[in-house]
Amino acid sequence: DAGVTQSPTHLIKTRGQQVTLRCSPKSGHDTVSWYQQALGQGPQFIFQYYEEEERQRGNFPDRFSGHQFPNYSSELNVNALLLGDSALYLCASSVAGGDNEQFFGPGTRLTVL
Amino acid sequence: AQSVAQPEDQVNVAEGNPLTVKCTYSVSGNPYLFWYVQYPNRGLQFLLKYITGDNLVKGSYGFEAEFNKSQTSFHLKKPSALVSDSALYFCAVRDKNSGGYQKVTFGTGTKLQVIP
Repeated sequence: DAGVTQSPTHLIKTRGQQVTLRCSPKSGHDTVSWYQQALGQGPQFIFQYYEEEERQRGNFPDRFSGHQFPNYSSELNVNALLLGDSALYLCASSVAGGDNEQFFGPGTRLTVL
Repeated sequence: AQSVAQPEDQVNVAEGNPLTVKCTYSVSGNPYLFWYVQYPNRGLQFLLKYITGDNLVKGSYGFEAEFNKSQTSFHLKKPSALVSDSALYFCAVRDKNSGGYQKVTFGTGTKLQVIP
């Protein structure tokens, strides 16, 4: 059983560009959350998708958007990239329900030059 | 609003000694509490969680955590540390009353260094 997978592993972009990151949840999971982890920091919640809708959103600008597909996979899009967007982007999947732990993917390392 | 504090950026412990990594939390209602571990250039791995019931929770790799409601703490412990336990540890909280959607707030992390 594959766990959470993310692609690509690494990505280098320049300021002003747009990027799309992808996530496939663990089998049987229906909820996907995205986090940004800057160097030396804890993961910061970006948003969560369930039933193809954004259910919760953290304190991130509208440049950050997402999508969930019928097969529960998800994309994170970031427009007009800034240097400060350089970080490890983590996808986590879970089964809907508050006491269920999240399973994390290995992350996508985004570098903005 | 919910928050997590991990007061120690780094904890050093000798191999074979007991270890404690501290965590305090703040939620408006009752908490779900989690501990995760992160190895270099990897995602987070789930260690254990507190939902309800017994205040002492046992998890993976010999780790356990003690929930203390009066002190709003959820410290991670292990009786005998291994060098392979050296990693970054994150405490996380979710408010039970957050409407059924799982916004989880993480602490800033504590680097555990186990010295041979």
